[in-house]
Amino acid sequence: AQKVTQAQTEISVVEKEDVTLDCVYETRDTTYYLFWYKQPPSGELVFLIRRNSFDEQNEISGRYSWNFQKSTSSFNFTITASQVVDSAVYFCAQETSGSRLTFGEGTQLTVNP
Amino acid sequence: GAGVSQSPSNKVTEKGKDVELRCDPISGHTALYWYRQSLGQGLEFLIYFQGNSAPDKSGLPSDRFSAERTGGSVSTLTIQRTQQEDSAVYLCASSLASFEGEQYFGPGTRLTVT
Repeated sequence: AQKVTQAQTEISVVEKEDVTLDCVYETRDTTYYLFWYKQPPSGELVFLIRRNSFDEQNEISGRYSWNFQKSTSSFNFTITASQVVDSAVYFCAQETSGSRLTFGEGTQLTVNP
Repeated sequence: GAGVSQSPSNKVTEKGKDVELRCDPISGHTALYWYRQSLGQGLEFLIYFQGNSAPDKSGLPSDRFSAERTGGSVSTLTIQRTQQEDSAVYLCASSLASFEGEQYFGPGTRLTVT
């Protein structure tokens, strides 16, 4: 069975700080995808990234970066120089051959001015 | 282009009534998913459709829940004899195909059962 764990329930930082959101996944499948979604107060889930299990290269997109390590089954997300607009709930998710997404419990990030 | 749309955005119903929730996926997306987000349960998978294949209904919580997808596009999630525990936000997502591409989510339907 698949499982995604986001151990950090809530994180609070001051603007311009860097923050890392942790994600650990479990699967027996060799082919899978990992995702991060952002859910701002408006409620809509916003897609951030999708990563193939065979691609362990780290990815950077502006202030966002992702670190994928199969050895530790982790797919962590870092926001550099955080901004108030980054305040949201962030979900890590996994997709395996069954196609459904298995989500973590989410991390509530609050960025204070 | 247009994203995933859902209607209604909010629905309040009395316990025991039936409700229908609608989802319009992104044009050209053959895979369509329903999820539910509730305070106690987080984000849960309900059902998924891929093209003309039989849907994967393994996430439906009870036989009061059903869904159909007409013409490979629009989908309707039906909840019969609603219960208070059905109160949640029901989210629809679509992707190019099963296990191919990102799943893009609609804004959700907030269902409140009184």
